[in-house]
Amino acid sequence: GAGVSQSPSNKVTEKGKDVELRCDPISGHTALYWYRQSLGQGLEFLIYFQGNSAPDKSGLPSDRFSAERTGGSVSTLTIQRTQQEDSAVYLCASSLEQGAHQPQHFGDGTRLSIL
Amino acid sequence: AQSVTQLGSHVSVSEGALVLLRCNYSSSVPPYLFWYVQYPNQGLQLLLKYTTGATLVKGINGFEAEFKKSETSFHLTKPSAHMSDAAEYFCAVSGGRGSTLGRLYFGRGTQLTVWP
Repeated sequence: GAGVSQSPSNKVTEKGKDVELRCDPISGHTALYWYRQSLGQGLEFLIYFQGNSAPDKSGLPSDRFSAERTGGSVSTLTIQRTQQEDSAVYLCASSLEQGAHQPQHFGDGTRLSIL
Repeated sequence: AQSVTQLGSHVSVSEGALVLLRCNYSSSVPPYLFWYVQYPNQGLQLLLKYTTGATLVKGINGFEAEFKKSETSFHLTKPSAHMSDAAEYFCAVSGGRGSTLGRLYFGRGTQLTVWP
């Protein structure tokens, strides 16, 4: 389909391992957002990209989290030395362009479980 | 600063009854407001949005919401609930300016249960 695609859909890993989550936005969408959804914290903003640059990284919870976007399309969110509190659903969204009025289209998320 | 409060983490209605999900917002700039729905193991789907203009906004699946500036509210309604409406609903306000432009601030969500 033409929606936002995230992979993997589920990831189980051991504490201390690194994980990489992938997001393919809708073709032509220049803005890309990462959010985290957990029972305790609800939906939290992590980072967004306009093109390949990330003007707002303020939501990243620690320096173990990083993200990049290449070619203005695919983005990867990397979590190093995972901790149990990183267990959550990581959602990616894209919009046609950056703007407060632009609706964001979400993928189905990656459910991350840290053992 | 932007924030959203959704009153009632759980709402239960009978099939055919009115659905009312409450949302109040706080925004330092004129707000753009959104309602999203999330079905189990899926992402968020946009129901409707308010940007400017008409304060009564119609969305998909028979839902509508009214922007009331004086009450800082954006409540979601549907005249007659259907079993397929059972899901979690999120109200969100968009970041208004600068580096937060476009960033969404979400409420904690309201789980809607529809009884037959």
